[in-house]
Amino acid sequence: AQSVTQLGSHVSVSEGALVLLRCNYSSSVPPYLFWYVQYPNQGLQLLLKYTSAATLVKGINGFEAEFKKSETSFHLTKPSAHMSDAAEYFCAVSDRYTGRRALTFGSGTRLQVQP
Amino acid sequence: DSGVTQTPKHLITATGQRVTLRCSPRSGDLSVYWYQQSLDQGLQFLIQYYNGEERAKGNILERFSAQQFPDLHSELNLSSLELGDSALYFCASSAADRVVGYGYTFGSGTRLTVV
Repeated sequence: AQSVTQLGSHVSVSEGALVLLRCNYSSSVPPYLFWYVQYPNQGLQLLLKYTSAATLVKGINGFEAEFKKSETSFHLTKPSAHMSDAAEYFCAVSDRYTGRRALTFGSGTRLQVQP
Repeated sequence: DSGVTQTPKHLITATGQRVTLRCSPRSGDLSVYWYQQSLDQGLQFLIQYYNGEERAKGNILERFSAQQFPDLHSELNLSSLELGDSALYFCASSAADRVVGYGYTFGSGTRLTVV
């Protein structure tokens, strides 16, 4: 079964610093990949998705992610952190070819932004 | 507002009781997915319905059941509640039966507390 591993359950950065949240997937075939963000007491909001059109994917709020097949990774980055980016971030995967109907989520990374 | 409506937002009930969580999908979406989010288990897929039919089952306990009605709203029934059932329950919707690269739209969740 497809799975994703998010390295680091907590990441802390200073305001204005680079944000890097790591996600690795387990699949021999490139899957669909997603990043979601969850703000406190809210549902999950789609940040961006990879569906093979381009390996560098731009999302909302200045985030982007690069799909690297050789590294089976889909890390999320933002050049300059803002206080409003503090939230929990989830990487998710879906099997492109077996038609798995549900997204499988990683365990999440809580991003803290220090002033 | 994501367009996916979940009620109630909060629910406190006693062990052994039964509760019903309700979800109205985004307009035009035919699929409804239920997820459980807890601190120790993360986001776990429970069950999916598409246009009234059950399509996929995840880690759903036998004490839990769901259905999707002709107007496409869905209900998740949790019975014989245990302390460990305390969690956030999310509903998500999508237009398609399978994950085809669009991801889901999530509701804001129902926080269930079993005392």
